[in-house]
Amino acid sequence: QVQLQQWGAGLLKPSETLSLTCAVSGGSLSGYSWNWIRQPPGKGLEWIGEISHSGRTGYNPSLKSRVTISVDTSKNQFSLKLSSVIAADTAVYYCARVPVFGVVIMIDYWGQGTLVTVSS
Amino acid sequence: QSVLTQPPSASGTPGQRVTISCSGGSSNIGSNTVNWYQLHPGTAPKLLIFGNNQRPSGVPDRFSGSRSATSASLAISGLQSEDEADYYCAAWDDSLNGWVFGGGTKLTVL
Repeated sequence: QVQLQQWGAGLLKPSETLSLTCAVSGGSLSGYSWNWIRQPPGKGLEWIGEISHSGRTGYNPSLKSRVTISVDTSKNQFSLKLSSVIAADTAVYYCARVPVFGVVIMIDYWGQGTLVTVSS
Repeated sequence: QSVLTQPPSASGTPGQRVTISCSGGSSNIGSNTVNWYQLHPGTAPKLLIFGNNQRPSGVPDRFSGSRSATSASLAISGLQSEDEADYYCAAWDDSLNGWVFGGGTKLTVL
């Protein structure tokens, strides 16, 4: 059974860098894109970006200037960094998997979510 | 403001059938398949429907999905108390080159 286990700091001050990591167990990184998605309190889901096992990335244009997603194939994990955080970056952050094979596009597995609060 | 539009709330009594709509555009629902997710507080989102109307293994057939043009809908029949959750639609967007989501629908089982 595939599991995505994520962790990172939950409380940040404005201007600091958010850093989260997601470890994948029960499967390989190959054949999938690995995504970060967030949900601000009381709001809907927002896609942050993705990375393939080979390191090819794609980012939401609204966050692109502050986002870096990286992958560590030796540890079977991938990471998110969001720089210069502000209060509006307060959200539950999810890591998620997307199979890149087949015709149907879907996010099939998600991490449990990490609440990140930005407050001075 | 979410790219896909869902009603903020829906409700029904046990045993009833409820539907949740999801409206998008030509670059997302009009071009790509729709997925539906169930979110219970504090737990990982669960894939309910993929490819507009396919259920992953383990999802009861009480859950069904459909798509027409740039809109989609999720139907839940035989409503149960454990169905009380937030439901989100999602689709790949060819203009964004990324995922777009609905604003979520909070389902209350009365």
